[in-house]
Amino acid sequence: NAGVTQTPKFRILKIGQSMTLQCTQDMNHNYMYWYRQDPGMGLKLIYYSVGAGITDKGEVPNGYNVSRSTTEDFPLRLELAAPSQTSVYFCASSPGRAPRGGDTQYFGPGTRLTVL
Amino acid sequence: GESVGLHLPTLSVQEGDNSIINCAYSNSASDYFIWYKQESGKGPQFIIDIRSNMDKRQGQRVTVLLNKTVKHLSLQIAATQPGDSAVYFCAEKEGSGNTGKLIFGQGTTLQVKP
Repeated sequence: NAGVTQTPKFRILKIGQSMTLQCTQDMNHNYMYWYRQDPGMGLKLIYYSVGAGITDKGEVPNGYNVSRSTTEDFPLRLELAAPSQTSVYFCASSPGRAPRGGDTQYFGPGTRLTVL
Repeated sequence: GESVGLHLPTLSVQEGDNSIINCAYSNSASDYFIWYKQESGKGPQFIIDIRSNMDKRQGQRVTVLLNKTVKHLSLQIAATQPGDSAVYFCAEKEGSGNTGKLIFGQGTTLQVKP
């Protein structure tokens, strides 16, 4: 299994541009999450999903959107990039409660985004 | 509200010594805790976890201790090696809901001196 994969690894955006950060997992996990990590800080939850077709806001959702059309994919969309969105973005997945139990989240390698 | 915090931002240890990284949590209803290791430029990597019905859990060179009375969690690394240098995060599962959400602490940087 490749686990959780993210693309791109790095990206530089201009203010006002938009982009989609891709996340795919091949572990058949129900739950998926998007986090951002600012320098020297912990992880803050942006959005999460407990299954295909179901998404919900986390701690810092403003300026982002997500969709979950399949179990495997959970893309994160930035519509109007702002300097405050400069960060490292991590996607994670976990088996979830049903049909498989398990709370451990497994992380992708991250996307480093700079907005200038 | 809920919070997960670490006592020290940086811990420096001599190679071969044991390391202890501490974490405090505030939600007494939390039933699942996890430690992650994050090396520079990489995503967090699972180290070990523990459920609230346990006080101690051991892995390879790592031990997690849970003290529910004082809401304290610690990670012990035996015979610390240079490869253990990283930022360590503790996290607790948020409440009893069915979302699997984790709340992360700020992280402790472990520096291993040769």
